[in-house]
Formats: sequence, C-alpha cells, structure tokens
Amino acid sequence: AQTVTQSQPEMSVQEAETVTLSCTYDTSESDYYLFWYKQPPSRQMILVIRQEAYKQQNATENRFSVNFQKAAKSFSLKISDSQLGDAAMYFCAYLNYGGATNKLIFGTGTLLAVQP
Amino acid sequence: GAVVSQHPSWVICKSGTSVKIECRSLDFQATTMFWYRQFPKQSLMLMATSNEGSKATYEQGVEKDKFLINHASLTLSTLTVTSAHPEDSSFYICSARPSHANTEAFFGQGTRLTVV
Repeated sequence: AQTVTQSQPEMSVQEAETVTLSCTYDTSESDYYLFWYKQPPSRQMILVIRQEAYKQQNATENRFSVNFQKAAKSFSLKISDSQLGDAAMYFCAYLNYGGATNKLIFGTGTLLAVQP
Repeated sequence: GAVVSQHPSWVICKSGTSVKIECRSLDFQATTMFWYRQFPKQSLMLMATSNEGSKATYEQGVEKDKFLINHASLTLSTLTVTSAHPEDSSFYICSARPSHANTEAFFGQGTRLTVV
C-alpha cells in the first residue's frame, strides 16, 4: 500500500528566509502524481504545487519549488522569501490515477510558523 | 478555476438528530467526490468515495449507516450524519474531481460540525 511520510511535525522560518519541508513516499507504481497542499487557519485546502512522476523537471510555482527525487521517493517543498501568509499546515499527497487506489493519500502534515 | 462549495460552513446540532452537509461543484461536473474527516492538528482522513449514480465506497472502519452519502447528480454529493453524537463533532471536508479529466480534485471550504 502507498504511504506518505512527513517527518517534520513543525517547522519555523524567519520572514524572507527559505525553508524546506520534507516528504517521502512509498509506492510500487511508476506513474503517479505528487502534490503539496496548504491549509491555513481558515482550513481551506489550497493546492500549492503539483508534480507528475514522469517529468524529470522539478515543478516551480513562483516562490514554491519542489525537489523531486523519484529513485529516492522523496518530494520536498522549498519556500523562498517566506511571507507571513505562508504560515499554515502543509500536506504532502500522493495520487495514482486509474490505479487500485484512485484517491489522494495524505501525509501527516507539517505546521509551518513564519516569524516576523 | 474550479470551485467547490460546501454548505453549511458550520453547524450545531443536538445529540440524536441528523445533519446533512452538501458539496457542490459550481463550474464543472464531477463523477467522483470524496468525503474527509479532520481532527484538530491532524491530517485528512478519507471516509468515502462518492460516485454519481452508484453506491459510495467507504473506507475501512467508517460506518456506512452512520454516514450516509448520496451523489444523485454530477454536481452534488451529500453527507448525512445520522443520529449524531458528540464524538461525531469534527471538521468534514469534501473534494470533487472533474469528470473526463486527469486532474487533481478541488476542495470545498469544509464544515465544522458540533454535536451538543
């Protein structure tokens, strides 16, 4: 069964600095998607970034980028120039379209605090 | 972008009563919708996968008679918590995946249920 692990329950970063959130996963599939979601205090789930496993190039969305290491099954999120609004719970998630488990599998989350 | 509306945002009900939560995809059709439960500072726990026109698929340990799911149209799924008890108090989130598209699912804003 697929699993997603986030080993950092909490992280803290100074405003304008860079922080990296870790995520590892386990799967026997070769084709899948990985996501980072942000859940601010409002609890609305917001998609931050998406990575297709068949793409070697790391996804980037403005200040957010990932380091996707397929062989190592690692998918970390880097937030550059951190802003106060980045403070939230961040969830890493895995999805295998069309597979036996065609549903998102979430990690346990990392609570990110941004210090002014 | 795709919008999923969840209603109500919060609800308080008396123990023993039933409460219905709606999940609507506003600008797309969704063959599949997902219902999650989230406890404070924890990850999203998938309760069931709702498929339009067919019975929902429940995750292990989720009582299907307790949490009734109806997906009668391509834009609406409902979750009814029957005979609610204080231990059912939680945050419930739905997500909807666009039909005929391999994209991620989009999340509603969640419903905070408090049973008194």
